[in-house]
Amino acid sequence: EVQLVESGGGLIQPGGSLRLSCEASGFAFRDYEMNWVRQAPGKGLEWVSSISSTGNTVNYADSVKGRFTVSRDNAKISVYLQMDSLRAEDTALYFCARGRLRYSRNDVIGYWGHGTLVTVSS
Amino acid sequence: DIQMTQSPSSLSASVGDRVTITCRASQGISNFLAWYQQKPGRVPKLLIYGASILESGVPTRFSGSGSGADFTLTISNLQPEDVATYYCQRYNTAPLTFGGGSKVEI
Repeated sequence: EVQLVESGGGLIQPGGSLRLSCEASGFAFRDYEMNWVRQAPGKGLEWVSSISSTGNTVNYADSVKGRFTVSRDNAKISVYLQMDSLRAEDTALYFCARGRLRYSRNDVIGYWGHGTLVTVSS
Repeated sequence: DIQMTQSPSSLSASVGDRVTITCRASQGISNFLAWYQQKPGRVPKLLIYGASILESGVPTRFSGSGSGADFTLTISNLQPEDVATYYCQRYNTAPLTFGGGSKVEI
């Protein structure tokens, strides 16, 4: 069974940093593109970032480019999101999500974690 | 970047109705369009990819159509369990933009 478990969320002051983690299980992690998607309270889905299976290709939404960094450690079956210079508008539930197909790029999302909540407030 | 516009943002229908949600891309995206369903308090679920291909296990009352810039999600014979917000997403290139969502109520 595919499982994605996020951690690292919490309350952080504006301008602060936070590192989210997502540990995967139940599938060949190193073969899949991974994504971060967020959802502000009561709002819609916003794609944040993706990282290819090898980690060689990363992409970001304009809203986080230059502030967030995605990485992965295939040996630890984990993907990370380093979030710096946080703003109030970054407050959201952050989902870790897996691409649908092995070895695919820019893929639809086949599996979602349950999310970790990030609240940016003073 | 390519923007995705969904309409309507919300709708109310009756059980058994046929419901149509549209999604328009600001540029052509071929058929790289997916639809997700998010029930209240739940994580999103993939319904359709490739604009019209039903994900395994999704009821056949859901269907998708379109290509280029204009796409449609249709729910025929609306059921109570279909109460949810529906999102389109383009995935031809990054950023993999979502539409703003369409909330379906009964």
